[in-house]
Amino acid sequence: GAVVSQHPSRVICKSGTSVKIECRSLDFQATTMFWYRQFPKQSLMLMATSNEGSKATYEQGVEKDKFLINHASLTLSTLTVTSAHPEDSSFYICSAIFFGGGNQPQHFGDGTRLSIL
Amino acid sequence: ILNVEQSPQSLHVQEGDSTNFTCSFPSSNFYALHWYRWETAKSPEALFVMTLNGDEKKKGRISATLNTKEGYSYLYIKGSQPEDSATYLCAYALNRDDKIIFGKGTRLHILP
Repeated sequence: GAVVSQHPSRVICKSGTSVKIECRSLDFQATTMFWYRQFPKQSLMLMATSNEGSKATYEQGVEKDKFLINHASLTLSTLTVTSAHPEDSSFYICSAIFFGGGNQPQHFGDGTRLSIL
Repeated sequence: ILNVEQSPQSLHVQEGDSTNFTCSFPSSNFYALHWYRWETAKSPEALFVMTLNGDEKKKGRISATLNTKEGYSYLYIKGSQPEDSATYLCAYALNRDDKIIFGKGTRLHILP
């Protein structure tokens, strides 16, 4: 089946550091990738939708200057948490779909646990 | 605010027993309903995507039904096995756009 690779799986760093997370579709071309964030005991919250070659669409309340998304190719999207602070500590997970439409299953990475000291 | 509710939040089931849980979603502007299984330390895995009222889908011992008029879906697991222990997420797509809205999940524990 479709495989999505997400790296790193865990990051621990000091406040003020910028952290880049990569999401790759390994065996298919992902027209759209999604970035989610999950707080403890909460649902996966969509942060942004990323289409190759165009600007990401951010959900309401998500700071685009804080969470930079680049989708340079059909197999790679990156999320950069700029100048991270403790409140940015969370679980971040990406997903990808081959072709658009809310009726397509999403293929997820393993997620990244980000801890800011 | 679109809300996807899943119940129960947590469930303990004896191995061999059958079980089911619920996903409730807005019945207006429905496009698709997704179910995912999320095992610890793994990525969420798509189980089903359903689009039509009355849809029933099956994958091994797991099946799901869909009622779009009243806004609910049931996930059934027959003869639970230890490997069924996971969090089951449902997600709702309200239109043809790509994004889906997740519920908080039902955490299923299978007791040996």
